[in-house]
Amino acid sequence: EVQLVESGGGLVQPGGSLRLSCAASGFTFSTYEMNWVRQAPGKGLEWVSYISSGGKTLYYADSVKGRFTISRDNARNSLYLLMNSLRDEDTAVYYCARAKYCSGGSCWDDYWGQGTLVTVSS
Amino acid sequence: DIVMTQSPDSLAVSLGERATINCKSSQSVFYSSNNKNFLAWYQQKPGQPPKLLIYWSFTRESGVPDRFSGSGFGTDFTLTISNLQAEDVAVYYCQQYYSTPRTFGQGTKVEIK
Repeated sequence: EVQLVESGGGLVQPGGSLRLSCAASGFTFSTYEMNWVRQAPGKGLEWVSYISSGGKTLYYADSVKGRFTISRDNARNSLYLLMNSLRDEDTAVYYCARAKYCSGGSCWDDYWGQGTLVTVSS
Repeated sequence: DIVMTQSPDSLAVSLGERATINCKSSQSVFYSSNNKNFLAWYQQKPGQPPKLLIYWSFTRESGVPDRFSGSGFGTDFTLTISNLQAEDVAVYYCQQYYSTPRTFGQGTKVEIK
């Protein structure tokens, strides 16, 4: 059974940092492209970042470019999102998602984790 | 960026009736090289992550009931839920994967009348 379990969310002050993790199981993690997608409270879905299966190709939404860094450790079946210089508008549930198909970093995802809440507030 | 606009924002449908959700993209998401529309639909129930329903504008994901169907071409797409069931109460999102960044519609909330 495919499982994606996010962790690392919490309350952080504006300007602070947080590192999210996503533990994958039930599939060959190293062969799949992965994404982070977020959802602000009561709002819609916003794609955040993409990483290729080998970790060499990365894409970011303009809203997080230069502040967030996506990475993966295929030996540990884990996906990460390092978030720096956090802003109020980064408050959201962050989902990791397994990409089923991608075109130039734009994907559809067939499995999603339950999400981890990041709250940026003073 | 491609802007995805859904209509309506919400709708209430009686059990057993049909729900129709529209999605319009600001530019075509049809890729002639593979003759496919790069359009997916997701369902999100309260407190849950999104669930993939449809990709390539009309292909149902494995395990999705056949009362869910997708149609459309180019810039105009439709998700139809036939014979609405109580468990279909959710927010539905369209999403294009034709270009980066992928973008989602704002969501359509489906309720029971």
